[in-house]
Amino acid sequence: EDKVVQSPLSLVVHEGDTVTLNCSYEVTNFRSLLWYKQEKKAPTFLFMLTSSGIEKKSGRLSSILDKKELFSILNITATQTGDSAVYLCAVEIWTSGSRLTFGEGTQLTVNP
Amino acid sequence: IAGITQAPTSQILAAGRRMTLRCTQDMRHNAMYWYRQDLGLGLRLIHYSNTAGTTGKGEVPDGYSVSRANTDDFPLTLASAVPSQTSVYFCASSDPDTSEQFFGPGTRLTVL
Repeated sequence: EDKVVQSPLSLVVHEGDTVTLNCSYEVTNFRSLLWYKQEKKAPTFLFMLTSSGIEKKSGRLSSILDKKELFSILNITATQTGDSAVYLCAVEIWTSGSRLTFGEGTQLTVNP
Repeated sequence: IAGITQAPTSQILAAGRRMTLRCTQDMRHNAMYWYRQDLGLGLRLIHYSNTAGTTGKGEVPDGYSVSRANTDDFPLTLASAVPSQTSVYFCASSDPDTSEQFFGPGTRLTVL
């Protein structure tokens, strides 16, 4: 059974802190790993990772994948209150089509 | 229309009633998906469709059915709703070149 586990499940920090969110997986037919941010409604795409060791970066957010150890991390530096959201990790598997298996999500709260 | 739309936004339904959740996309994506999101369980795949005319079962298909008569529409039907189907339902479609899934705004369904 495909499994994606995120940790921590929730995190409360102060503005300006740096946070690291974790995602580990056990799946067959791995194709890529994706990170999404979910505020009030629909998840919005952050990153897609396919290769080990190559960091993807967007502003204060960055992510990296380790395909040997089967995990990914999402870093957020200099956090702001607008970063408060649920961060979802999803692993794409390919079996005659693409499907995503999601982790439970990490609820991040950034206090002023 | 730009992206994915879902209807209704929310619905309260009596147990035993039939309900169809609507999903339409205008991005000409071949693949579409239905997820349910419950607290602590993340997003779980109900059904998917790799292309018009085909559908497949996801992780939690029982009690739900789908059809894909054309590229744009992917309705989800609950034949006889039960309280355990109370959830937030998200429809998504994916770009075949990037694997990124785009999500609709969601339907909040309460079954009493």
